[in-house]
Amino acid sequence: AQSVTQLGSHVSVSEGALVLLRCNYSSSVPPYLFWYVQYPNQGLQLLLKYTSAATLVKGINGFEAEFKKSETSFHLTKPSAHMRDAAEYFCAVSTYNNNDMRFGAGTRLTVKP
Amino acid sequence: NAGVTQTPKFRILKIGQSMTLQCAQDMNHNYMYWYRQDPGMGLKLIYYSVGAGITDKGEVPNGYNVSRSTTEDFPLRLELAAPSQTSVYFCASTRRGQGAGQPQHFGDGTRLSIL
Repeated sequence: AQSVTQLGSHVSVSEGALVLLRCNYSSSVPPYLFWYVQYPNQGLQLLLKYTSAATLVKGINGFEAEFKKSETSFHLTKPSAHMRDAAEYFCAVSTYNNNDMRFGAGTRLTVKP
Repeated sequence: NAGVTQTPKFRILKIGQSMTLQCAQDMNHNYMYWYRQDPGMGLKLIYYSVGAGITDKGEVPNGYNVSRSTTEDFPLRLELAAPSQTSVYFCASTRRGQGAGQPQHFGDGTRLSIL
């Protein structure tokens, strides 16, 4: 079955600094990859998704992610962090022949003023 | 648009009690899912359904039951609540068969404590 690993359960950056959240996947067939964001006491909201089109995917709130097959990675980046970006971020993977989606353990992003 | 609606938002149960977590979606999605979220563990799939009358187990189904009598509703039942079932429960839905990689839409969760 497919799986994802998120490197780093906590990431702390200063406001205005680059945000880099790491995700590596494992899948025996071409994957669909997703990044979700979760704010306190809320459900998960989709940030962006990769579905085998362009390898560089742009999402909401200035985030983007690049699919790198050779590295089995789908890291999330944002050039300049805002205080409102503080949240928990989840990477997820699914495939065309599977009914479910597998989530990483999450990375909590803290943004310091 | 309501999207995915979960009720209740919070609940405290005593060990051995039973309850049903409700989930309804108004997007005509055929697939629905129940997850539990524990700190540092991400989301674990409990049960899912690919359409009315069809359900299947996920990674952690023990202690739970589901039914899917309509497209809109997918309740999750705990028959004999145990402290290990203290968690945040999320319902999600998606429309499969309309192109590749459709994302899941989530409710706001039910926070359940069992004491």
